[in-house]
Amino acid sequence: QKEVEQNSGPLSVPEGAIASLNCTYSDRVSQSFFWYRQYSGKSPELIMSIYSNGDKEDGRFTAQLNKASQYVSLLIRDSQPSDSATYLCAVNQGAQKLVFGQGTRLTINP
Amino acid sequence: NAGVTQTPKFQVLKTGQSMTLQCAQDMNHNSMYWYRQDPGMGLRLIYYSASEGTTDKGEVPNGYNVSRLNKREFSLRLESAAPSQTSVYFCASRPRLGYNEQFFGPGTRLTVL
Repeated sequence: QKEVEQNSGPLSVPEGAIASLNCTYSDRVSQSFFWYRQYSGKSPELIMSIYSNGDKEDGRFTAQLNKASQYVSLLIRDSQPSDSATYLCAVNQGAQKLVFGQGTRLTINP
Repeated sequence: NAGVTQTPKFQVLKTGQSMTLQCAQDMNHNSMYWYRQDPGMGLRLIYYSASEGTTDKGEVPNGYNVSRLNKREFSLRLESAAPSQTSVYFCASRPRLGYNEQFFGPGTRLTVL
């Protein structure tokens, strides 16, 4: 079992709709969870961090964490074509490292 | 602040050649990391340096060496490049213990022929 799993997609969402991206992780002691956005040919950019169970909102982005189910998700409201990218889920491994999922490719259709 | 910078942006090597990828950060971060990213494999950790003067192996260290030259700089060396090392290499840094966020440089696209 991979440590961090994501559906590779592609996930296709119409403009203005809600995009929902999911991630599961295997290490029950993980405490820090991150979403990175990566445009084609560019480096990963941190867009959300979440440490506690529940929801965390930042603009059009909401991260949701459920530690009991070992599940973290990212919702993007009012999706825009500029949101088209690959989204990477990352989970801490100990105090020093992150483990990344393979990423979900998201396409927003105008 | 420039953040995390990497040189070169692109490089083509022949099998057996050596090269060093350079990384520097101006954010006074303690920890630095080298990843490679391959299609379908995600980001994989090669080496990291938790603090100045220390380095540790990651998931895929074979064929690589690193040097934490000072707090700002962390280099990755390929002693004898192989086609399997064709990849995009990212350097990242992390502020300090207790903060797990990592911030990435722009990457180096390496092709080994």
